[in-house]
Amino acid sequence: EPEVTQTPSHQVTQMGQEVILRCVPISNHLYFYWYRQILGQKVEFLVSFYNNEISEKSEIFDDQFSVERPDGSNFTLKIRSTKLEDSAMYFCARTRQGTDGYTFGSGTRLTVV
Amino acid sequence: DQQVKQNSPSLSVQEGRISILNCDYTNSMFDYFLWYKKYPAEGPTFLISISSIKDKNEDGRFTVFLNKSAKHLSLHIVPSQPGDSAVYFCAAKGSGGSNYKLTFGKGTLLTVNP
Repeated sequence: EPEVTQTPSHQVTQMGQEVILRCVPISNHLYFYWYRQILGQKVEFLVSFYNNEISEKSEIFDDQFSVERPDGSNFTLKIRSTKLEDSAMYFCARTRQGTDGYTFGSGTRLTVV
Repeated sequence: DQQVKQNSPSLSVQEGRISILNCDYTNSMFDYFLWYKKYPAEGPTFLISISSIKDKNEDGRFTVFLNKSAKHLSLHIVPSQPGDSAVYFCAAKGSGGSNYKLTFGKGTLLTVNP
């Protein structure tokens, strides 16, 4: 059983629509992250989430992005009004504390058309 | 702004030989380094890490070397196996606080030929 489960595995959406990507990190982890990888490019940090708050975010993570962990289990990334350039693989990750090797989910491929 | 650089986009080696993947960094505040392996349509999988207080860490066939003065690290895989064929990412983390953000390189595609 994967330690970090992401749904859906692939999402196609029209430009301007809202999408919600979901992550279920199993067990007692404190730190959660979203990263993305645009095709052919490097994996980029979006946001870190600790103790139910954003602890750090990148310049990519602008006002159209939001994260929450509403039920103490699922960790979601919402993109309010998708743009073509949001097309990428989005990875959720978790750690217990800083020097752990991150565990990544298998990713959600977002395609904005 | 490439703080972590993997200058070789691809590497091809024969099965049984050594694979050496290289990574350079520019940010002297990085104090922890990790290597990840990634297959298509999967998330990165943690392989091995090294703290800046060490210069070598070994785990089975995988060894990571860190040269702090040169801001360079390398991953050695020996012997290489066809199943090692994947994209390998070098990543680095800064010190302190709640900043556990990883900065990744662009990756190196390793192909191990039978």
